Amino acid sequence: ELKVEQNPLFLSMQEGKNYTIYCNYSTTSDRLYWYRQDPGKSLESLFVLLSNGAVKQEGRLMASLDTKARLSTLHITAAVHDLSATYFCAVLQGAQKLVFGQGTRLTINP
Amino acid sequence: DTAVSQTPKYLVTQMGNDKSIKCEQNLGHDTMYWYKQDSKKFLKIMFSYNNKELIINETVPNRFSPKSPDKAHLNLHINSLELGDSAVYFCASSQEPGEETQYFGPGTRLLVL
Repeated sequence: ELKVEQNPLFLSMQEGKNYTIYCNYSTTSDRLYWYRQDPGKSLESLFVLLSNGAVKQEGRLMASLDTKARLSTLHITAAVHDLSATYFCAVLQGAQKLVFGQGTRLTINP
Repeated sequence: DTAVSQTPKYLVTQMGNDKSIKCEQNLGHDTMYWYKQDSKKFLKIMFSYNNKELIINETVPNRFSPKSPDKAHLNLHINSLELGDSAVYFCASSQEPGEETQYFGPGTRLLVL
């Protein structure tokens, strides 16, 4: 059974700082997704990573995938308050099923 | 235009009641899903339909019954509601099963008293 673990689960940081969220998964998969969820809201797709070595960037967020290490990272550069949210990674199990990590609750303080 | 919509947004009900949640997508996708998000924000898939056929059926009590009248709709009926059913239920859709980005609805917040 695929397990997906994120760390840290809670992260409080200052504006302007850099930080990384890690997503480890237990069995082979070729696809990994990052989603953002604001409090009381739905999930918004951020990135889809399709192959080993894939790197995608959008604004201050950059995601990468290492399928050999079964690890994805979500790097935040020069954080701003608007990035405060819960971030989820999700890994495709087989051909059909997404398994989500526990989520990382990110708070960025002015 | 809302891509994935759910009704109702909030549902407060007594234990033992039966309730339904409806989901509609206007993205032309072939696959739809139901997820449950518990109080700790953990998200777990419950069901998935592709072209009206059930393709994922996780270990969910049989009090939960999904129904897909057509590709654009996936409803969730829950019988004999229990306190532990309190959660946020999200509907999602994608073009292909699992392989494409899933687009999530706004969620239905269910509280069982």
